[in-house]
Amino acid sequence: KQEVTQIPAALSVPEGENLVLNCSFTDSAIYNLQWFRQDPGKGLTSLLLIQSSQREQTSGRLNASLDKSSGRSTLYIAASQPGDSATYLCAVSSGGSYIPTFGRGTSLIVHP
Amino acid sequence: GAVVSQHPSWVICKSGTSVKIECRSLDFQATTMFWYRQFPKQSLMLMATSNEGSKATYEQGVEKDKFLINHASLTLSTLTVTSAHPEDSSFYICSARDRGLDSTDTQYFGPGTRLTVL
Repeated sequence: KQEVTQIPAALSVPEGENLVLNCSFTDSAIYNLQWFRQDPGKGLTSLLLIQSSQREQTSGRLNASLDKSSGRSTLYIAASQPGDSATYLCAVSSGGSYIPTFGRGTSLIVHP
Repeated sequence: GAVVSQHPSWVICKSGTSVKIECRSLDFQATTMFWYRQFPKQSLMLMATSNEGSKATYEQGVEKDKFLINHASLTLSTLTVTSAHPEDSSFYICSARDRGLDSTDTQYFGPGTRLTVL
């Protein structure tokens, strides 16, 4: 059974810092990995989707990497802004079922 | 990207009543939709897989008679919480599976429905 762990659980940083959020998974036979953002009381916003054949994806100030062999993914946020404050969820779809398993998220606060 | 909608976005009901939540894929057909539940400060937990034209597949521990799922068309799945109780209060999120022509398989998530049972 796939297990997804996100570290740290919470993070508070001053504006402008570069951040790294970590996601690890136990079963490396994945189909894809997706990073989401969730604002309080809201649904999920997809940030980046990495297929199993890819190593990384970039969108604006966000960069996500994938290392299947080590069971890890990182989400890099450059020049953080207060508007980046949210919970970031990592979800891994394992080969066969395509149903994602979610981590518990990293709660990020970027203060001015 | 593909869009999935949910209705209502929030609902408050009395204990003992039933509540129906709709999940729609707006610009693609989804043979499979998923229903998740999220408690405060927790991650999403899969409740059931909804397949168009067939019975839903429920995860262990989820009462199928309490959480009725109907996937009547390729763009609509409904979740009905029957005889709701305060412990059913939660955030319910659906997703729809889109199988792309390039063999990708992606889930698109709805905005969620906040259910509060008094």
